[in-house]
Parts: sequence; C-alpha cells; structure tokens
Amino acid sequence: AQKVTQAQTEISVVEKEDVTLDCVYETRDTTYYLFWYKQPPSGELVFLIRRNSFDEQNEISGRYSWNFQKSTSSFNFTITASQVVDSAVYFCALDSGGGADGLTFGKGTHLIIQP
Amino acid sequence: EPEVTQTPSHQVTQMGQEVILRCVPISNHLYFYWYRQILGQKVEFLVSFYNNEISEKSEIFDDQFSVERPDGSNFTLKIRSTKLEDSAMYFCASSESTGPDTQYFGPGTRLTVL
Repeated sequence: AQKVTQAQTEISVVEKEDVTLDCVYETRDTTYYLFWYKQPPSGELVFLIRRNSFDEQNEISGRYSWNFQKSTSSFNFTITASQVVDSAVYFCALDSGGGADGLTFGKGTHLIIQP
Repeated sequence: EPEVTQTPSHQVTQMGQEVILRCVPISNHLYFYWYRQILGQKVEFLVSFYNNEISEKSEIFDDQFSVERPDGSNFTLKIRSTKLEDSAMYFCASSESTGPDTQYFGPGTRLTVL
C-alpha cells in the first residue's frame, strides 16, 4: 500500500522567513514519482515539481528547493524568503507502479505567510 | 500554455438527482483522471481512463459513478443519484503518458448536494 504523510497541518511564518514543508512516503515499488502541488485560495491544483525515484539530486527553482532522500523516504520542500503570495495549501503526492494509477496525496500543509 | 478545463465551476443539485461534470483534457494527452476533495480534506483518486475504458478505480468509485469520453475532446463524470456526502470539489486531470507521468489538473467543479 502507498501512503504519504505530511505531518505539519499548518505553518505560519512572517514574510521573508524560510520555511520547510515535510513529506514522508511509503511504497513497496522501486520505481515511483513524487510530486508537489500548490492549492492557492482560489482552489486549483498547480503542479510544482516531479522527481523520480532514481534521481536523488536536489532541485532548486528560484526561491523553491526540494530535498529528496530515499534513505529516509522523504521529499521535503523549502521556500526561501517567503512571500505573501506563497500562502496556500501544499500537497505532496506519490505515483508508483505501472498503469494509470492515481496519485496518492498527503493531507496537505496549510502555509500562511504573514506580512 | 495548454490547460485542462472543467465546467461548470459550481453545480448545485438536489439529493437523488443525476449530475454530469465535464472536462476537456489537454489535447495531446492520452490518460484522464477524476479526483475529489471533500472540503478541507486531501485529494482522493476516483478513476483513470485510457483508450476508452477505465484503467484503474478506487473504492470510492462505486456503481453510482460512471465516466465517458463522448467525443474527441470531452471527458465526463456522471453521478447517477447524488447523496449529501457527494458534496466536494471534483478535479479532472490528464497526462501525456503513464508509467508514471505528471498529471495536470483542471480548476475543479464544486458540487453541492442539498
């Protein structure tokens, strides 16, 4: 069975602080993909990043960075110098196995950036 | 940039009524999905569709639900007899391939069952 755990239900920081969102996953498959999606107050799901199980290189995209560690089954997301527009619910998701499997989502972390 | 579209954005219906939620996936994508998100909860997979048939479905996707690709562009989710607990945001997604691949989501349809 697959499982994604986002232990942080809500995080509140002041603008310009750095913040890390945790994601821990469980799967028996050796090939899998991990994703982060952003859900702003308007409700849509915005794709942020995809990482496959064979690529443990960390990724940086502007103020966003992702730390994938297979040894701890974690795929954490850091926002540097946070901005009010980063306020949203962030979901970590897992896709493993063959076929058109659905994504397994975590419960999400509600990030509040205060001005 | 191509995107997934969904209509309507909000649907209100009476318990027991049938509803059809519509989606237009990204044009060169071959795999289509429906998810739901009950207010304040996580996003849950309902069903995936490829080559005009269901590929995978979750326990949530019971006999009250059905999916169809009636033409070359639309992908629909039908709920035959809505219940109060069907109230949720329903997201359509599509991906170019599988094995796995990135799924791009539409803006969602908020379904309210009274």
